[in-house]
Amino acid sequence: SQELEQSPQSLIVQEGKNLTINCTSSKTLYGLYWYKQKYGEGLIFLMMLQKGGEEKSHEKITAKLDEKKQQSSLHITASQPSHAGIYLCGADRTGNTGKLIFGQGTTLQVKP
Amino acid sequence: DAGVIQSPRHEVTEMGQEVTLRCKPISGHNSLFWYRQTMMRGLELLIYFNNNVPIDDSGMPEDRFSAKMPNASFSTLKIQPSEPRDSAVYFCASSLRQENSPLHFGNGTRLTVT
Repeated sequence: SQELEQSPQSLIVQEGKNLTINCTSSKTLYGLYWYKQKYGEGLIFLMMLQKGGEEKSHEKITAKLDEKKQQSSLHITASQPSHAGIYLCGADRTGNTGKLIFGQGTTLQVKP
Repeated sequence: DAGVIQSPRHEVTEMGQEVTLRCKPISGHNSLFWYRQTMMRGLELLIYFNNNVPIDDSGMPEDRFSAKMPNASFSTLKIQPSEPRDSAVYFCASSLRQENSPLHFGNGTRLTVT
């Protein structure tokens, strides 16, 4: 959806390096969800952010929400080959339906 | 928990044939969503149900597409007649209809229409 722009579209990093993926919304966010997808599989939920300034971490993955900028960033520290995949951000526009629209995704490759 | 179960995993059919995709949501979840994923358009919401009732089908591309949810544990997405441009991965997802509840996705059905 063009309502959610992810950058970069693709990323190749050396194992051990840090990286950041951004997701920018053109409309008000009631919730921002990060998912990871491996080829041929479904989306795996990583974390959800709701409040401006909120930051959540799961293992070496940290996500932040800048409500004012309507933007979220996903940061991976010391990347590993297991981090490879497609990262998608999804936005809840209504706050009570659970209906999500998604960005185009960022494809991450991690070279050993 | 078995997660969201979709069948078949792969479907290859000829143009003009009817295709039926199936989904079993997570037990206890009361919202169900059908998405379609393509390289060109990404992940698009087709339709979603709350408590087995279709709420928003504005994403259904054409009348050739229809979806049903006869009970809380089963949903189908039907395409009749199918066309090559329908080729995509179709995902089903379910959730608890409450604030901050994430969607849980199945592994998808990869549809190829020749």
